[in-house]
Formats: sequence, C-alpha cells, structure tokens
Amino acid sequence: DSGVTQTPKHLITATGQRVTLRCSPRSGDLSVYWYQQSLDQGLQFLIQYYNGEERAKGNILERFSAQQFPDLHSELNLSSLELGDSALYFCASSVKPRGASGRAINTGELFFGEGSRLTVL
Amino acid sequence: EDQVTQSPEALRLQEGESSSLNCSYTVSGLRGLFWYRQDPGKGPEFLFTLYSAGEEKEKERLKATLTKKESFLHITAPKPEDSATYLCAVQAGVSGGYQKVTFGIGTKLQVIP
Repeated sequence: DSGVTQTPKHLITATGQRVTLRCSPRSGDLSVYWYQQSLDQGLQFLIQYYNGEERAKGNILERFSAQQFPDLHSELNLSSLELGDSALYFCASSVKPRGASGRAINTGELFFGEGSRLTVL
Repeated sequence: EDQVTQSPEALRLQEGESSSLNCSYTVSGLRGLFWYRQDPGKGPEFLFTLYSAGEEKEKERLKATLTKKESFLHITAPKPEDSATYLCAVQAGVSGGYQKVTFGIGTKLQVIP
C-alpha cells in the first residue's frame, strides 16, 4: 500500500460528459502529480501541484483541469469527454517537509495510487 | 526534450533464466534514474533510485546499474512472481518541490514456470 488513495477506481461515462477524479496523497506529502496511461502507452505527465500551487504542466488538454486543496488532496476534472480519453489516470505524491525548518525533502521517488480507470462510451 | 527508451518491449523468460532490461536516456542534467514495477491494473511501485554513473542497487533477484547513457535492470534466476512491466524514469532538474520525471514505455516481462 503506497498510502495514496484514488477514487473512484472505475468510472464509465458517455462522450461529452464531465467527471472528477480525486486523489489523497500520502500523509504529509506536499506534491501531487497526475499521469495518464492509455493502452500500450507509457505514463504521460499531465500536471503537478506543490502545496496548493500549480508547478508544472505536461501534455494536459485544455478540457482537463486540476487543483490541490488546502488539505493537500487533489482533483482532476475532465470535461467534454471523448472516446480517446479512456485511460487509467494515476495520481502520485512525493516530497515531505522536514522538521522545524519545514524544508522539503525531495528524493525524486513517486508514490502512486491504484489509479482510476475511465471508460468513455 | 528528455527521452527515455526501454528495450525490449516484451521479454519472455523461463523460470531461472537470467536476463537484463535496458533503459537508455537523453536528459539535460540527470538528477536521478528510477526503476518501477507495475502489475496489470495497478499503480507503479518504486524499486530503485540511481544517482550517478557506476552506482548499483540490489533488491532480491533484481540489480540496477547506471552508466552515463543507460541503465540496466538485471534479473537473476527470475520466478513467475517477477512477471510485471518494469518502467524506467529519469528526473531532470528540481527547483523547490518541482521535479520533472519522464517515464519510458516499459518492458513487459513474463516468467514462465
């Protein structure tokens, strides 16, 4: 168990609809990453948040958006869904603050959730 | 642009037949190279981090090595439970909490009893 929780595990919806995927990072982790994994494709980086702020964007479509809340959980919103959006969406977390200084530990390791499998019909 | 290429795409081994998986990379300023294991329908599970050329890490039947342009994941006397997709990833650059991690497509390993 990585400590990262994603809901829902499975989601089936129709084209044109909108869905929200939720991620709770490991306790204390400041960074949340979203990745998309389609059949026979590698993990494609979508977006990263660090302590509530957007830090990096990858191949994220304009129809997709995300945010990280004060309690550090994150949501990925997918709208105007198309058949090609069917994929596994993974959330990963990393970076814990250290001690009284609050300085972040960055080992580069990512801890992934079990993923949300989205099927668009 | 950072690139990670893994080979072979798929590998089928008999139980006990040792082999190696390759990960070649092109990145500006490598901060770390990672190996992950991914079981079907599951999230990737962290295995190793390598930081500099010449470094080696071991875990049970797995050993990861790093050169300036590639990494190898050696599997010694594999067992059926080692069957999984093995992902290689590189980290280039970090500023505060931002770390850019690029993944390869992976090598799908099947170990036959």
